[in-house]
Amino acid sequence: DGGITQSPKYLFRKEGQNVTLSCEQNLNHDAMYWYRQDPGQGLRLIYYSQIVNDFQKGDIAEGYSVSREKKESFPLTVTSAQKNPTAFYLCASSMSAGDRAEQYFGPGTRLTVT
Amino acid sequence: DAKTTQPNSMESNEEEPVHLPCNHSTISGTDYIHWYRQLPSQGPEYVIHGLTSNVNNRMASLAIAEDRKSSTLILHRATLRDAAVYYCIDIIQGAQKLVFGQGTRLTINP
Repeated sequence: DGGITQSPKYLFRKEGQNVTLSCEQNLNHDAMYWYRQDPGQGLRLIYYSQIVNDFQKGDIAEGYSVSREKKESFPLTVTSAQKNPTAFYLCASSMSAGDRAEQYFGPGTRLTVT
Repeated sequence: DAKTTQPNSMESNEEEPVHLPCNHSTISGTDYIHWYRQLPSQGPEYVIHGLTSNVNNRMASLAIAEDRKSSTLILHRATLRDAAVYYCIDIIQGAQKLVFGQGTRLTINP
């Protein structure tokens, strides 16, 4: 089955700790994305990557970091610098980064920081 | 980022057609219109996209106005599983990202 895997589904952390969210895809897609969603809101782009070893900041990159060492993996680290880290985090991939490419989303990770 | 306007919510009945409107008055000639939907506590799901002419797929139809400043997503026969938030996105040519607005929350009554 091809698709995007995010783990875990729910994650709890104490304030001040860094936490890494996993995102893996077996669709052989070049582009991958991280979005954040707050209750009742649309998605906001954190980071995206068009190709291995390359990534760009999205609209709300502060307090987050990513890496893209393998085509199938795009982990997101929520650092202690992120002021409001509690949110629903969604990873997506597409064949290429562009206006015609359909994005496939993972099931999401709900992060709660207390 | 290109902006779209959608009603906050709509309601329809099961097995009836649903027409979800979207205004994208700042659209340029090369922007694509994409529609995604999001079921509760899940990631968004691609529905359909188009440029100028009307488009059909197994999930829905997309009717784009002649001046391209608005479009309508048509669910031909709604089921309870179609209850979701529907996002209309105007993607600027060459853009690398989707910009999600608030979307339309669709409720389907049995």
